Amino acid sequence: AQKITQTQPGMFVQEKEAVTLDCTYDTSDPSYGLFWYKQPSSGEMIFLIYQGSYDQQNATEGRYSLNFQKARKSANLVISASQLGDSAMYFCAMRWGTGRRALTFGSGTRLQVQP
Amino acid sequence: NAGVMQNPRHLVRRRGQEARLRCSPMKGHSHVYWYRQLPEEGLKFMVYLQKENIIDESGMPKERFSAEFPKEGPSILRIQQVVRGDSAAYFCASSPDGNSNQPQHFGDGTRLSIL
Repeated sequence: AQKITQTQPGMFVQEKEAVTLDCTYDTSDPSYGLFWYKQPSSGEMIFLIYQGSYDQQNATEGRYSLNFQKARKSANLVISASQLGDSAMYFCAMRWGTGRRALTFGSGTRLQVQP
Repeated sequence: NAGVMQNPRHLVRRRGQEARLRCSPMKGHSHVYWYRQLPEEGLKFMVYLQKENIIDESGMPKERFSAEFPKEGPSILRIQQVVRGDSAAYFCASSPDGNSNQPQHFGDGTRLSIL
């Protein structure tokens, strides 16, 4: 069964430091996509970064990078040079196969950036 | 280019009433997805629609819930005879097509409260 797991309910990081948010998944389908979203306290869902299962290189978007380890089935989000505005809930999500279009979300990690 | 527009932002209903949630996708997007988020949880898929067609409603309760995406106008998620357990944030997302590498862009959500 397809499943996505975020094992860190909460994380703290000092401003300007890097932080890694964990995400593991389980699927037997060779074709899938992995997404990270940010949800600040105001509630909206903001798309951050995408990694495809066939992509050869790890995805990067500004201060966000994805540490994709296919054999371990992990897709951890790395935020470099944390800022106070990075404090939010972060969700890992997955879409697998060519037929199913819906995203399956993990339970989220609440990140708090401390000054 | 306007993003996904959801209204209302907040909706209060009494038990037994009907709730109608609206979603206008991003310009050029013809694929719409509805998700529900309970407090402190990740989003759960409900239904996926293209213009005038329901493609996947596997996450939607069989009773009291319905969704449509007419040829003209926004997508509507309708909840009849609401109960306390329907209290949640309902998010709409859209994408230009069904490709697995396309991110879904989310609206700000509708917070539904049942008295």
